[in-house]
Amino acid sequence: DQQVKQNSPSLSVQEGRISILNCDYTNSMFDYFLWYKKYPAEGPTFLISISSIKDKNEDGRFTVFLNKSAKHLSLHIVPSQPGDSAVYFCAASAEGNTPLVFGKGTRLSVIA
Amino acid sequence: GAGVSQSPRYKVAKRGQDVALRCDPISGHVSLFWYQQALGQGPEFLTYFQNEAQLDKSGLPSDRFFAERPEGSVSTLKIQRTQQEDSAVYLCASSRRRRYSNQPQHFGDGTRLSIL
Repeated sequence: DQQVKQNSPSLSVQEGRISILNCDYTNSMFDYFLWYKKYPAEGPTFLISISSIKDKNEDGRFTVFLNKSAKHLSLHIVPSQPGDSAVYFCAASAEGNTPLVFGKGTRLSVIA
Repeated sequence: GAGVSQSPRYKVAKRGQDVALRCDPISGHVSLFWYQQALGQGPEFLTYFQNEAQLDKSGLPSDRFFAERPEGSVSTLKIQRTQQEDSAVYLCASSRRRRYSNQPQHFGDGTRLSIL
């Protein structure tokens, strides 16, 4: 049973527009959520995180929103750039700095 | 560089051989994690160290998998009598703090293991 789900395997967005990547989770013990970006043949690179005491965290072009009641989080990238094209993984952990549980990833393609 | 370093980047072995994968975490990072990533999937947890102590090995798929971090820095993941289903990318991650603190994990580029 997947505890972290990314239901869209792929997403295509035009350069300059907003990219919205979604993630759902089932384990109510999760209290720390992260987004990673992965290029081919490289490891995941940390992008942004949010703890369960917040509902929004922003870092430059990246914003993560957390809706605890819906067990849903999303990553907004605005404006999208061609260099943002990669696979994005949503991850979660319970009680901080414990093993991360990952979704299967969403492949984002930003078209110039 | 200052990131997590893994070696080798690629490893090909025949079924039945033993392999050893190395991870050099970011200097000063207390916590170290190993993950396994199959094609088209997200990384899956294998084992966790806090300094030299292996606090969680619940994700190791069989007793053929063994990990160590004897001096609390470099870690080695060893797979004995490899099987074809062991073919995957093995990722190492480290983070600065101990358990129960919200700190991101930083990943190396992984070792791609292929078992023939």
